[in-house]
Amino acid sequence: DTEVTQTPKHLVMGMTNKKSLKCEQHMGHRAMYWYKQKAKKPPELMFVYSYEKLSINESVPSRFSPECPNSSLLNLHLHALQPEDSALYLCASSQVSGVIDEQYFGPGTRLTVT
Amino acid sequence: GENVEQHPSTLSVQEGDSAVIKCTYSDSASNYFPWYKQELGKRPQLIIDIRSNVGEKKDQRIAVTLNKTAKHFSLHITETQPEDSAVYFCAATKTTGGFKTIFGAGTRLFVKA
Repeated sequence: DTEVTQTPKHLVMGMTNKKSLKCEQHMGHRAMYWYKQKAKKPPELMFVYSYEKLSINESVPSRFSPECPNSSLLNLHLHALQPEDSALYLCASSQVSGVIDEQYFGPGTRLTVT
Repeated sequence: GENVEQHPSTLSVQEGDSAVIKCTYSDSASNYFPWYKQELGKRPQLIIDIRSNVGEKKDQRIAVTLNKTAKHFSLHITETQPEDSAVYFCAATKTTGGFKTIFGAGTRLFVKA
């Protein structure tokens, strides 16, 4: 299984809502990533987890809260978002073996904040 | 700060011609350089990658070159086909201090039949 899955595919939420994005992989990868991608822009790194520990937080606002419950799952908890947070949120995973390896991307969650 | 510049932003070629996309990175600690193809509404997919200890890599119609001294790397697509039309992103990754990947701004490639 070489697939990263993400749920939901689409999400519409108000600025006062609390919601979560979920990501799952069963490739035995020990690094997992959250990216944000606006239309016609490249993916922008948000968070990196390595061996279930947060290793990189790219100064992301606290209204985004990542969680890695185990080596296969990655969540992104959303609270009090702004309309400018509307974007495609991509999850990715990769091997961790001393050198970086290919990142496998999930299909993304398209988030709209109203 | 860390940056990856990518040129051109748009590239239009005739079917069968070659396409070249160039990137420059700023962080000398970068040691892995993947190239992704992203079709409209789909996820980025790796098409080729190169590590910092290699100067060139080829996979059928696609090749990548890396000049570590100049911090340049390039993607070459030969015998382009209409299905090569997509947005292509270069990226630079470093493994020190976590696995941080920075993407270039992207090149929209159009292959005309």
